[in-house]
Amino acid sequence: DAGVIQSPRHEVTEMGQEVTLRCKPISGHNSLFWYRQTMMRGLELLIYFNNNVPIDDSGMPEDRFSAKMPNASFSTLKIQPSEPRDSAVYFCASSLRAGAGANVLTFGAGSRLTVL
Amino acid sequence: GQQVMQIPQYQHVQEGEDFTTYCNSSTTLSNIQWYKQRPGGHPVFLIQLVKSGEVKKQKRLTFQFGEAKKNSSLHITATQTTDVGTYFCAGDHGSSNTGKLIFGQGTTLQVKP
Repeated sequence: DAGVIQSPRHEVTEMGQEVTLRCKPISGHNSLFWYRQTMMRGLELLIYFNNNVPIDDSGMPEDRFSAKMPNASFSTLKIQPSEPRDSAVYFCASSLRAGAGANVLTFGAGSRLTVL
Repeated sequence: GQQVMQIPQYQHVQEGEDFTTYCNSSTTLSNIQWYKQRPGGHPVFLIQLVKSGEVKKQKRLTFQFGEAKKNSSLHITATQTTDVGTYFCAGDHGSSNTGKLIFGQGTTLQVKP
């Protein structure tokens, strides 16, 4: 298995532009998570999906952020319009959640976003 | 809200010395996991603890889960330069597994050869 695949790996954009980050989870995994990592705030959970359905989006900073999971093999995190304070590494992670079992996360390599 | 506090934030040790990082939750955890992130890398799963008072070992790493299931620790014996990285604990809060993992701030370990 190729693991969790994220794209792009690096993105540099200007303030006000739309940014779309993409994630392909491990085949067969039924939970998907988006995390943001910064020096100041560490690893923050933005949103997570179970069986393609958003379960908890309380970590999404504001309306400029949106996430979708149209099918089991693809998810996007969109920022529109982007701001310099959105600069961070965005990680996607997936897991196989069996009933009430604990999630063991497999992370992608991350997308490093710089907003100028 | 639900929080997971981790100390220390940074630790510098001489190669061969021991290292411990501590994790405390504001609420009871249904389980706790530990991850390691190498510089420039992504978090990689190390281990999961579920039972009260559980202790697990992986070679030089010892993981403990507190009796009250609100705290945990990771101890590394005789550190090596390959241990360099940031160690995160991550907890699933509540009496049942919700699937929502909250990460601590991490402890960054530097090992001087």
